[in-house]
Amino acid sequence: KAGVTQTPRYLIKTRGQQVTLSCSPISGHRSVSWYQQTPGQGLQFLFEYFSETQRNKGNFPGRFSGRQFSNSRSEMNVSTLELGDSALYLCASRRSGEETEAFFGQGTRLTVV
Amino acid sequence: DQQVKQNSPSLSVQEGRISILNCDYTNSMFDYFLWYKKYPAEGPTFLISISSIKDKNEDGRFTVFLNKSAKHLSLHIVPSQPGDSAVYFCAFSGGYQKVTFGTGTKLQVIP
Repeated sequence: KAGVTQTPRYLIKTRGQQVTLSCSPISGHRSVSWYQQTPGQGLQFLFEYFSETQRNKGNFPGRFSGRQFSNSRSEMNVSTLELGDSALYLCASRRSGEETEAFFGQGTRLTVV
Repeated sequence: DQQVKQNSPSLSVQEGRISILNCDYTNSMFDYFLWYKKYPAEGPTFLISISSIKDKNEDGRFTVFLNKSAKHLSLHIVPSQPGDSAVYFCAFSGGYQKVTFGTGTKLQVIP
C-alpha cells in the first residue's frame, strides 16, 4: 500500500512569489492535515481537510490556504512568500480523522530567498 | 499559545542505558497522547500512544507514562540503541480535533 506522497520534495522561491504544494494521502484515507516544521517550533498545525471541507484551522495568516479534491488529494498554497515561510511542510493522512495515529509524508522543504 | 512543551531540545544517552523524554501540556481536554519519531529527511512516524484512561503503555523497549494530575507525559526507551537517535515529538489529540505537537527533543544514543 503506497504511503503519503508529497510533491515536490524541495522548492526554492523568491520573496513575494506564491507556491503550491501537493499531498496525496494513503488510499482510502479522507483526512489530510498540514503542518509547518521550523527549528525550535516543532510541528505547527496549519489546517485539516476532510471530504473536501476544511475541518480545523491553526493560527496562520490568510496567506496560507488549502483545498482538498474529491479523490482526497490536497494542495496547500502560500501567497506573497516571506523569508520566514522557509520550513519543512508536512502533510499527514488519517482514514477518517477520528483515529489518533496519522501517517506522514516525507515533506516539502521550502526555501524562500 | 504553547499548549505542549518539550523543555529539553536535546538529550545524549549511552547505548544500553535508559532514555527518558518528557513532555508537559496545559490542555486538559486532550484524550489521546502520542509519541512520534522523526529521522532527517523523513516524515514523523508513529511510535506509541496512550489514552487518558491509562497511566502506562508498553511496546517492547518503549514505555509511555501519563501523569494526568501533573499534565505530564514521558517516554522511556530501554535499552537505548544507536538506531533510536532521532527527533522525538510528543503529540496530543482530542478525537476530531487537530493533533497538537510539541517542539521535539533530539535524542542521540552514543555507541
